[in-house]
Amino acid sequence: DTEVTQTPKHLVMGMTNKKSLKCEQHMGHRAMYWYKQKAKKPPELMFVYSYEKLSINESVPSRFSPECPNSSLLNLHLHALQPEDSALYLCASSQSRIASYEQYFGPGTRLTVT
Amino acid sequence: DQQVKQNSPSLSVQEGRISILNCDYTNSMFDYFLWYKKYPAEGPTFLISISSIKDKNEDGRFTVFLNKSAKHLSLHIVPSQPGDSAVYFCAASAFSGNNRKLIWGLGTSLAVNP
Repeated sequence: DTEVTQTPKHLVMGMTNKKSLKCEQHMGHRAMYWYKQKAKKPPELMFVYSYEKLSINESVPSRFSPECPNSSLLNLHLHALQPEDSALYLCASSQSRIASYEQYFGPGTRLTVT
Repeated sequence: DQQVKQNSPSLSVQEGRISILNCDYTNSMFDYFLWYKKYPAEGPTFLISISSIKDKNEDGRFTVFLNKSAKHLSLHIVPSQPGDSAVYFCAASAFSGNNRKLIWGLGTSLAVNP
């Protein structure tokens, strides 16, 4: 089973709202990732968690706040976003952040900031 | 500076024929290469990969060829089917500090015409 699930599928939020994106995997993977993807562009890495600890933060603005409650779950808390943050937000997982190459992606959350 | 380049933004192929998608890279430290397929508004799906110590990997209709001396890889799809119409991303895996990261090309949009 190579499934990563993400909720919600679509999200519309105002610039003053607080919302959260959720990601879950049950493959026993120990590395989880958040990516942002704009139309016709490749995924852009935001955060990497390894064994529930933040391993990489690619200089992402503080209005994006990741959280890894356990090895299966990854959240992305959103606050005071800007319209330019509208994008497809992708979660991915891999067996580990060092030893494995393939990352498996979820279907994404389409975020629109109004 | 683009370390992974997909120079053809789009490709159109007749159903049943071969699709060849190309990818060039500049960093000789890349040791693993992956191809992902992406439909609109969905997450990328892992297709096939190849280690830098090999020159060919085959999986059903998909074959990836690697020419290390030319720093070039290609994905062959035979026979092409209309369901193969998607954006194909080439990605290279490399260490960044203590983490492995995927370095992505800009993608090639494949259209398979019935």
